[in-house]
Amino acid sequence: GESVGLHLPTLSVQEGDNSIINCAYSNSASDYFIWYKQESGKGPQFIIDIRSNMDKRQGQRVTVLLNKTVKHLSLQIAATQPGDSAVYFCAERRWGNTPLVFGKGTRLSVIA
Amino acid sequence: GAGVSQSPSNKVTEKGKDVELRCDPISGHTALYWYRQSLGQGLEFLIYFQGNSAPDKSGLPSDRFSAERTGGSVSTLTIQRTQQEDSAVYLCASSLQGPLLAGGESGANVLTFGAGSRLTVL
Repeated sequence: GESVGLHLPTLSVQEGDNSIINCAYSNSASDYFIWYKQESGKGPQFIIDIRSNMDKRQGQRVTVLLNKTVKHLSLQIAATQPGDSAVYFCAERRWGNTPLVFGKGTRLSVIA
Repeated sequence: GAGVSQSPSNKVTEKGKDVELRCDPISGHTALYWYRQSLGQGLEFLIYFQGNSAPDKSGLPSDRFSAERTGGSVSTLTIQRTQQEDSAVYLCASSLQGPLLAGGESGANVLTFGAGSRLTVL
């Protein structure tokens, strides 16, 4: 399928290494954050989420870190695999009962 | 169905024509969202429906865009008099509940996306 974005920031990682994808958000009132993975030709797929009252949450091979002081969110992928190659989006809920606001995305390329 | 279904998967149209994009959400999901994804961009919120409440249309870029959701299930996004800048992938998502409410379980608010409808306006 076609790429979802040709001019996205790209992170290239060797297979087996750990990946860290970063995201900055602008609204200090945002209280919920979520990471999605989008493979070529597919819709975004949920990876992990975190509320603002937490600073870390772990899933299977993935960890999300939240630093509210500097309004920074990161996704760590352990032992990166070729199947992890995709575009990764962070999203935030900015206030009240509002829909998610997505960032522009980062393309992760895994080198075998 | 097991997931969110969108149709058509690809649509090529001429400038000025109207198009309709369809979304069939996961059965039982009360909230339905439309987002637009242009090349090299993130997801741009368009509209969302929550149960029988009035839809949040705050993201619709112009009055050429409209959407409806019949019977609390299937939704149709209509773009009238299409322009070349409307070319994008239109993504539909659904969730058990609407945007996360304070104290609610986050899992019920996770959006499940369809594969999208790629619109090309010539």
